[in-house]
Amino acid sequence: EVQLVESGGDLVQPGGSLRLSCAASGFTFSDYNMDWVRQAPGKGLEWVGRIRNKANTYTTEYAVSVKGRFTISRDDSKNSLYLHMNSLKSEDTAVYFCSTRWLGDWGQGTLVTVSS
Amino acid sequence: DVVLTQSPLSLPVTLGQPASISCRSSQSLVYSDGNTYLKWFQQRPGHSPRRLIQRVSNRDSGVPDRFSGSGSGTDFTLKISRVEAEDVGVYYCLQETYWPYTFGQGTKLEIK
Repeated sequence: EVQLVESGGDLVQPGGSLRLSCAASGFTFSDYNMDWVRQAPGKGLEWVGRIRNKANTYTTEYAVSVKGRFTISRDDSKNSLYLHMNSLKSEDTAVYFCSTRWLGDWGQGTLVTVSS
Repeated sequence: DVVLTQSPLSLPVTLGQPASISCRSSQSLVYSDGNTYLKWFQQRPGHSPRRLIQRVSNRDSGVPDRFSGSGSGTDFTLKISRVEAEDVGVYYCLQETYWPYTFGQGTKLEIK
């Protein structure tokens, strides 16, 4: 059974940084691209970004709203995905989900609150 | 970015009746390989999203056959043939033809 468990969500001040993690199990992590998707409180889904697998040289794609501030990385030896968030803004407040297998499997999400 | 416009945004439906959600794209979603990368997701209250349909009309394993997807180019539809209580939630379309991927605003289905 595929399991994705996000962690690292917290309250952070505007301009601050945070790193989210996603621990994966139940599938061959290294074979798959991984995505981050977020959902602001009471709002819709927003795709954040993707990191491809090793076969595709770990290349990344990002939403315009986070490009240059967020970085996605992965550690295949630890079956883990990361989202490094810098220069955080109030509009980054959201539940952040990790997802895989072409958005077929999702974690439960972790809440990031950006507020002073 | 490609804009996906869903309608209606709110959909009250009587149990056992059909429901239909439209997703219109600001540009054709036909990729250079001939495929159309449009997905549908369901998000039940308090839950993570669940993928229902891939490439316009391909239902995921375990998704009831009362759910169906159709459309082409810029116009797509998710239909539920007979709404059940467990179908309550928000439905989203997603395009994966262009970077960055974009979701529709969501359609909230409720029981009338």
